[in-house]
Amino acid sequence: KQEVTQIPAALSVPEGENLVLNCSFTDSAIYNLQWFRQDPGKGLTSLLLIQSSQREQTSGRLNASLDKSSGRSTLYIAASQPGDSATYLCAVRGRTSGSRLTFGEGTQLTVNP
Amino acid sequence: DTEVTQTPKHLVMGMTNKKSLKCEQHMGHRAMYWYKQKAKKPPELMFVYSYEKLSINESVPSRFSPECPNSSLLNLHLHALQPEDSALYLCAAGAPLSTDTQYFGPGTRLTVL
Repeated sequence: KQEVTQIPAALSVPEGENLVLNCSFTDSAIYNLQWFRQDPGKGLTSLLLIQSSQREQTSGRLNASLDKSSGRSTLYIAASQPGDSATYLCAVRGRTSGSRLTFGEGTQLTVNP
Repeated sequence: DTEVTQTPKHLVMGMTNKKSLKCEQHMGHRAMYWYKQKAKKPPELMFVYSYEKLSINESVPSRFSPECPNSSLLNLHLHALQPEDSALYLCAAGAPLSTDTQYFGPGTRLTVL
């Protein structure tokens, strides 16, 4: 059974810092890995989707990498801003799980002005 | 247009009530999903509809009854709920292909008294 772990569970940084969020998964047989952002009480916003054949994806100040063989992904946020404060969820779509996404517990990020 | 809409935004109901949650998408995606999310936890998959047919039921209690009247609409009928069913209910839509992302709606905050 696929398990997804995110470290750290919470992170507080001053504005302007570059930061890295980590995601690890136990079964490397995946179709893709996705990073989502969730604001309190709101839905999920897709940030980056990395297919299993890809190594990284970039969108603005965000860069996500994928090392399928080691079961790891990182989300790099450059020059963090208070508006980046949210919970970041990593989700894996496994080859044996059909349409299911397996989510990590999330990292709660606070960027202080 | 990547929008998935959900109504109502908030719902308070008693344990003897019958209510329905509604989800709508006009992106042409043929897979639609219901998730349940408790506070500070990741979303948990409840149901998946693929081409308007129920393809996954994650052993959800029968007091939750999904319905997919057409390719744009997804309903979740609620009856005789328990207080522990209080949660954020999220709808998502996407292509049935495993390489594609899922687009989430803003959710319905349900409180069962």
